[in-house]
Amino acid sequence: GAGVSQTPSNKVTEKGKYVELRCDPISGHTALYWYRQSLGQGPEFLIYFQGTGAADDSGLPNDRFFAVRPEGSVSTLKIQRTERGDSAVYLCASSSHRTGEQFFGPGTRLTVL
Amino acid sequence: AQSVTQLDSHVSVSEGTPVLLRCNYSSSYSPSLFWYVQHPNKGLQLLLKYTSAATLVKGINGFEAEFKKSETSFHLTKPSAHMSDAAEYFCVVSDAMNRDDKIIFGKGTRLHILP
Repeated sequence: GAGVSQTPSNKVTEKGKYVELRCDPISGHTALYWYRQSLGQGPEFLIYFQGTGAADDSGLPNDRFFAVRPEGSVSTLKIQRTERGDSAVYLCASSSHRTGEQFFGPGTRLTVL
Repeated sequence: AQSVTQLDSHVSVSEGTPVLLRCNYSSSYSPSLFWYVQHPNKGLQLLLKYTSAATLVKGINGFEAEFKKSETSFHLTKPSAHMSDAAEYFCVVSDAMNRDDKIIFGKGTRLHILP
């Protein structure tokens, strides 16, 4: 079956612009996670959804970052007023339950010039 | 609060020799522990996980890890390295029983396989 997909695979934007990153989880997975991976680092947790609600958004670095999952499936990570320090690979993962195996997408590489 | 430390940022072994990737963790409760592998230009893939059952966990591709509570370690091993094992490996800790638990990734260990 289809795995987790993320679009776009690459996004180049200018400082100050707004971007949206999309994640399509595995069908039926109720848990969805966003991570950010900077060069040479492990993935850093951003936010976790259980169904439509953000069960834990404590990893979002500041209020420029926001994520939604309105129908409990597709999720969008939104970054306002992008900064060069936001450049990273943004990873999405889904799982069938909170402690289950997380299946990762290929990531979106965001470059802020 | 949880934390995880991968003791080596790079490990090089010759093909056919054993692999040891070290991971130490700290956790207030009973942790769940995972190892993920990330090949270049590919998504993260689960190798194995420990969730309070058997302390010796067998995973895919011949990898295994042993949970040692007394040493707070969860080292990843493989008896004989293959060239295809060259990748980045991440140790992950999670405290599922803790309402405030976080999923914490280590900084990763890059495994190099020498011909």
